[in-house]
Amino acid sequence: QVQLVQSGAEVKKPGASVKVSCKASGYSFISYGISWVRQAPGQGLEWMGWISADNGNTNYAQKLQGRVTMTTDTSTSTAYMEMRSLRSDDTAVYYCARHIAVGRDWYFDLWGRGTLVTVSS
Amino acid sequence: SSELTQDPAVSVALGQTVRITCQGDSLRNYYATWYQQKPGQAPVLVIYDKNNRPSGIPDRFSGSSSGNTASLTITGAQAEDEADYYCNSRDSSGYHVVFGGGTKLTVL
Repeated sequence: QVQLVQSGAEVKKPGASVKVSCKASGYSFISYGISWVRQAPGQGLEWMGWISADNGNTNYAQKLQGRVTMTTDTSTSTAYMEMRSLRSDDTAVYYCARHIAVGRDWYFDLWGRGTLVTVSS
Repeated sequence: SSELTQDPAVSVALGQTVRITCQGDSLRNYYATWYQQKPGQAPVLVIYDKNNRPSGIPDRFSGSSSGNTASLTITGAQAEDEADYYCNSRDSSGYHVVFGGGTKLTVL
């Protein structure tokens, strides 16, 4: 079954770090990229960045540069997103999505169920 | 500009046709992709590469584009189409991705 399975919900204090995992199955992990998208409560979708699963190249949203790191472990077909110096406005559902980059356009054809990260003192 | 603009809310009578639009400079160079999101669920891809549907997406969903505006059309809207719809594309630089703010579709 083609799917992305994410790690469970997290509660963190301001200033802490969080690392969310996304395990792929049912397809060739290194043939695609993984994008991370977050959604604050009641808000829209925000693209955070993406990582190429075959070579580890990354591309982060400017707003998050310096606070986010995306990595992959090809031996377990798992992608990771780590965010540091968490603030209350980082409270959101974090999604991983399979990133298609063929031709001119990029899109996300397979999504994980999301991981709720709550930042609260 | 790297922004995509969507109407916050649109309504349609059951069985009628509705068009949801997405505007932005990046759409002059890149096609919009469309996602459907129902409450408490992850987004689902409905249109990619201007007007392609993934398997399992009904053919009442179609996409089009002209200039800086992309449209998602639902021909014969069903109750189950009630959801939030988001467009996205590469931004004007080509290196990042931008999402529209989303359109809440109500089927009356």
